[in-house]
Formats: sequence, structure tokens, C-alpha cells
Amino acid sequence: DAKTTQPPSMDCAEGRAANLPCNHSTISGNEYVYWYRQIHSQGPQYIIHGLKNNETNEMASLIITEDRKSSTLILPHATLRDTAVYYCIVRLNNDMRFGAGTRLTVKP
Amino acid sequence: NAGVTQTPKFQVLKTGQSMTLQCAQDMNHEYMSWYRQDPGMGLRLIHYSVGAGITDQGEVPNGYNVSRSTTEDFPLRLLSAAPSQTSVYFCASSGGQGGRNTIYFGEGSWLTVV
Repeated sequence: DAKTTQPPSMDCAEGRAANLPCNHSTISGNEYVYWYRQIHSQGPQYIIHGLKNNETNEMASLIITEDRKSSTLILPHATLRDTAVYYCIVRLNNDMRFGAGTRLTVKP
Repeated sequence: NAGVTQTPKFQVLKTGQSMTLQCAQDMNHEYMSWYRQDPGMGLRLIHYSVGAGITDQGEVPNGYNVSRSTTEDFPLRLLSAAPSQTSVYFCASSGGQGGRNTIYFGEGSWLTVV
């Protein structure tokens, strides 16, 4: 599976959009981009995933560049409860490799 | 919805003791796996199973055994606990092997080996 690069930390004001970037320049054509988050030491929570097209669900939006070498997770209206570590993962099969992720802190 | 259920949530072991972490899922998922997470680090894959009777090693399998006798259950056994196995353990499941199948995680089991 391709490796990903994320900033170690980001801040966001409550109520504003949080845009979390991820670089995956070695992604192959069949690899999906997944986003999970982990609040404190709870189990990773699935957020969203995509292959080529942009995706949106009730939690977030995923924007994947046309060359698929990077993506952005967007939390449209961040709340204090969105403070967590966010992991961007590219995977072809079920062997997911977690990096260090981005620690997002939502501030009042 | 139960999803992926892990027991126990907390456990303290003495060095050399053995124990089993239980994992059960009620989604009829074929794929199940175990991860460990050390402080400040991402999750690392220990063992996984693509179906009943089939298991394989992940990134960090040493010191752990698994079996998959039913679709629902995937226990993780520590045969002789060591302090290096102090960690948080997560069980996960997925409906299939491909990248299109979302993996769902349990809430974790905190293990301390003294």
C-alpha cells in the first residue's frame, strides 16, 4: 500500500471548516483513500473513503485531486467534539498501515 | 448495533502469564484482524483472518496466536506475556478483502504487563 504524508498538527476555530491535507504521491490506480479518526484512545472511527471521485457523507467531504496524488478531508463546521487524530490511509486490500496522522484541535 | 465487541476492556497481567483477548462481530464479516497501538503511535497489524479456518500474520505477529473457528469470533492469545506487549489492542472487521470494503474497529482492550 502507498505511504501517506500528513501534517502532524492543525488548529481550527469552532464553527469553521477544517481542511486536512494528505499526500499520497505513490498511490496506485486500484488503491482507495480512507480517512479515520481517533478520539483519545477510542477505536478508530471510519469517516469516509473514495477512489477517484469526490465523496460526501453526513460527516465530511473528501476531495481527491485529478492525479490522485493528494486529497483533502473537509469537516464543514468543526465542533469541539471533532478534536481528534485524523488518519489518511491508502489501501488496496485489508492490510491498512497507519501513520502518525494529524492531530486536529478545534478551539472555541 | 453491537458491531465489533472486545473483551475485556482492561487487563493487568504478570510477566509470563497467558490470556486471551476476545473479539466478536455481528455483521457476518469475512475479514477480521487485530492491531496494537503503542503510546503516540499509529496502529500496527498483528494477525488477520479472511474467513473461518484461515489466519495469517501481519506486521508484528511475534508473541501472539490467533484462530478463527467461527465467522463471528477471532480471539487473540498471548502465550507468555512480556512487558513489551503492554499496549492497546483493537479488533477490526470488514465485509471483504478489497479496498472498497470499509473496516470497522472495536473500542479497544487496554493491556498492562507488569
